[in-house]
Amino acid sequence: GQQLNQSPQSMFIQEGEDVSMNCTSSSIFNTWLWYKQDPGEGPVLLIALYKAGELTSNGRLTAQFGTTRKDSFLNISASIPSDVGIYFCAGPTHSGYSTLTFGKGTMLLVSP
Amino acid sequence: KAGVTQTPRYLIKTRGQQVTLSCSPISGHRSVSWYQQTPGQGLQFLFEYFSETQRNKGNFPGRFSGRQFSNSRSEMNVSTLELGDSALYLCASSSGGQNYNEQFFGPGTRLTVL
Repeated sequence: GQQLNQSPQSMFIQEGEDVSMNCTSSSIFNTWLWYKQDPGEGPVLLIALYKAGELTSNGRLTAQFGTTRKDSFLNISASIPSDVGIYFCAGPTHSGYSTLTFGKGTMLLVSP
Repeated sequence: KAGVTQTPRYLIKTRGQQVTLSCSPISGHRSVSWYQQTPGQGLQFLFEYFSETQRNKGNFPGRFSGRQFSNSRSEMNVSTLELGDSALYLCASSSGGQNYNEQFFGPGTRLTVL
């Protein structure tokens, strides 16, 4: 089946630093999604990408759809303590259906 | 619009029992998916319902089942609970329209099996 590999597994940074994480797939995706999960809560959709090479921003977050369509990147600029959480990438398991395959996540810790 | 709601938020059961979890999607959303989240396996897809029909099913045993009602609300049931069923069960809804991959999650039900 499809596999999504996220790296790094975890990051510990200082407040104000920029962060970059990525996700690679064993197969081509037409859509990439990035979610953030806080402890004890469900994942929250941050950004959805639909075109190869597309760059999409959501505030301090920027995500890019790799040109091979097998990878995606998420960048966070000027990190703040509330950015702490687990970031997941996801892609559609089956075309035309609302099912997603998720990466294992990148845990982000921000030191004030 | 109100978000996805799940009840109960926490549940403790013993092995061999059965459990039913409930999910109310975002108003107007017709697709409801269920996921199991564990530290070891991460987020794994259980099944998806659209207009009361199961469209997709993940690789889980038959003890896991679900259904969707005409108002799009969904329930999932786990019978003969095992210790390994302890997990966060997440429900997600999507509009089923053009951006059908954009799923919106509820807070989850934390199930502990003793």
